[in-house]
Amino acid sequence: RKEVEQDPGPFNVPEGATVAFNCTYSNSASQSFFWYRQDCRKEPKLLMSVYSSGNEDGRFTAQLNRASQYISLLIRDSKLSDSATYLCVVNTGSPGGSYIPTFGRGTSLIVHP
Amino acid sequence: IAGITQAPTSQILAAGRRMTLRCTQDMRHNAMYWYRQDLGLGLRLIHYSNTAGTTGKGEVPDGYSVSRANTDDFPLTLASAVPSQTSVYFCASSERTSGPTSYNEQFFGPGTRLTVL
Repeated sequence: RKEVEQDPGPFNVPEGATVAFNCTYSNSASQSFFWYRQDCRKEPKLLMSVYSSGNEDGRFTAQLNRASQYISLLIRDSKLSDSATYLCVVNTGSPGGSYIPTFGRGTSLIVHP
Repeated sequence: IAGITQAPTSQILAAGRRMTLRCTQDMRHNAMYWYRQDLGLGLRLIHYSNTAGTTGKGEVPDGYSVSRANTDDFPLTLASAVPSQTSVYFCASSERTSGPTSYNEQFFGPGTRLTVL
């Protein structure tokens, strides 16, 4: 079982819809969490960090549930430009004090007119 | 230079040849990483480096080696390329922090598309 699991989708939604992605992780010692966005044939870029208390950035809301070991991303009022792959990233501590990131395989979102 | 650069952008390589993928960052980040991305498998960590002079193995290190002689450069070498190493390779860097509430955003280079025939 992969350490970080995501539904690959694709999620096909109309403009203006609300869509939510979940990501589960297996290592309870994981310390920090992120959502990245990756456009086709481009490098991943940070969308938002996920804080323990949950956080919001405009139309995007991220939440962490440590007890159930999952993080979520909610996108409200979807735009065509939101079409991309969303990658869940979980950092776990390693010897030497840094954090080793593990990526989920990504969830594909397609927003149509 | 602004951020992370990778070279070459793409390469077609004969099996058995040696190849070094270059990665340079100008953000003075301590930590650097190499990933490969394959369809359906997502990003998988090959090797990482917490700081100059140290390296570590990731999820899929076999067939690859790295070095970290200084803060800015983190080359990835394929000693004898095989077709299964055909992939898109991404280099990334992050500020190395420690502690339970640290948040280590990674910055990625544009990637190298490698085809081994």
